[in-house]
Amino acid sequence: DAKTTQPPSMDCAEGRAANLPCNHSTISGNEYVYWYRQIHSQGPQYIIHGLKNNETNEMASLIITEDRKSSTLILPHATLRDTAVYYCIVRVLMKTSYDKVIFGPGTSLSVIP
Amino acid sequence: NAGVTQTPKFRVLKTGQSMTLLCAQDMNHEYMYWYRQDPGMGLRLIHYSVGEGTTAKGEVPDGYNVSRLKKQNFLLGLESAAPSQTSVYFCASSPLGQRDSPLHFGNGTRLTVT
Repeated sequence: DAKTTQPPSMDCAEGRAANLPCNHSTISGNEYVYWYRQIHSQGPQYIIHGLKNNETNEMASLIITEDRKSSTLILPHATLRDTAVYYCIVRVLMKTSYDKVIFGPGTSLSVIP
Repeated sequence: NAGVTQTPKFRVLKTGQSMTLLCAQDMNHEYMYWYRQDPGMGLRLIHYSVGEGTTAKGEVPDGYNVSRLKKQNFLLGLESAAPSQTSVYFCASSPLGQRDSPLHFGNGTRLTVT
């Protein structure tokens, strides 16, 4: 399974874009990049995922480098409610093999007024 | 549609006692997972299941047992609780083999072992 590396913490000014990096240099061709976040002690919340192309939804954008060894989650206009721990994981989607979903320690994002 | 429901929400055990945590999902998902979360350590996978009647070990399986007798339920058992098992436990589920298949998490069970 590919592993990910994220900075332990980041700050972002309210209203500015938050750019959260993730390194996954050992990712395989069929492994997807997923992002989740966890606010306080609630259950993690799915944000976005992608394979090769950049993706955008109502919450965020995901930029994946061409070599797929790293990605960036972008929250375009951060609010105080975006303060959370953000997890980047890689996941193999295979129909016949066990699918371990391993989380790292994540990045603690603080949005500052 | 309730999603993933965990019971109980809170529990206090004495060392050596046993208990079972219940996870139920109503989305007909094949995969189910149990994680524990300790301060500063993120989520660690305990056990998981890819379908009814199947289970597999994760990163930290020692001291826990699981069962998946019904597709919608995934039980996590502690036979003899230890203080090191004080943690927040999260259950998750996802469909099998689909591109758009993020994990859906419950809201957690906070367990204290004294």
